Amino acid sequence: GAGVSQSPSNKVTEKGKDVELRCDPISGHTALYWYRQSLGQGLEFLIYFQGNSAPDKSGLPSDRFSAERTGGSVSTLTIQRTQQEDSAVYLCASSLVVRGGGPQHFGDGTRLSIL
Amino acid sequence: KNQVEQSPQSLIILEGKNCTLQCNYTVSPFSNLRWYKQDTGRGPVSLTIMTFSENTKSNGRYTATLDADTKQSSLHITASQLSDSASYICVVSLYGGSQGNLIFGKGTKLSVKP
Repeated sequence: GAGVSQSPSNKVTEKGKDVELRCDPISGHTALYWYRQSLGQGLEFLIYFQGNSAPDKSGLPSDRFSAERTGGSVSTLTIQRTQQEDSAVYLCASSLVVRGGGPQHFGDGTRLSIL
Repeated sequence: KNQVEQSPQSLIILEGKNCTLQCNYTVSPFSNLRWYKQDTGRGPVSLTIMTFSENTKSNGRYTATLDADTKQSSLHITASQLSDSASYICVVSLYGGSQGNLIFGKGTKLSVKP
């Protein structure tokens, strides 16, 4: 596709369940980012990938959060044993390079609601 | 500490009027500054990117300015339209930092009323 695609667009699940969020970046983009946006708040950095490696995992809130990227393309963000405070919009972005250069291209996010 | 502060937090204007949004940053070393527009329920979309040497950059009715000495930027919207209602996010990129080198402001929520 032409843009960054995220799925599902909405996810409602019960507390304690695991969830997996998917991001398909723009073809050829080597950098991929995950952010979390809570209601009325700015974007909170979670993790970024350069190719398949994640040089910076400092933003992951806890060890319940993990992410991987395979083939330099699709990435998945997994949240284990979800808690109500995990409810937020999870945004994925991709760019050609990490440093400087062009803009990030964002997907429309996955709206996660934990009951 | 690297920070990006935006003001006002929210703004309401009438259709057709102009407005200016502010962004102050304490980010070093500075690489570039970006403005994004985020419609409700959508991901942010890039409006402008300015490097250290650029003072102004336009994208249609949007004009961004940058003063690297005072570490201030503004986004001016001319002849506002209802479709300009959105959150506007200022983002500063730095060299050699973590978080993929991007520091985000919390945004200004703009409402354009008819």
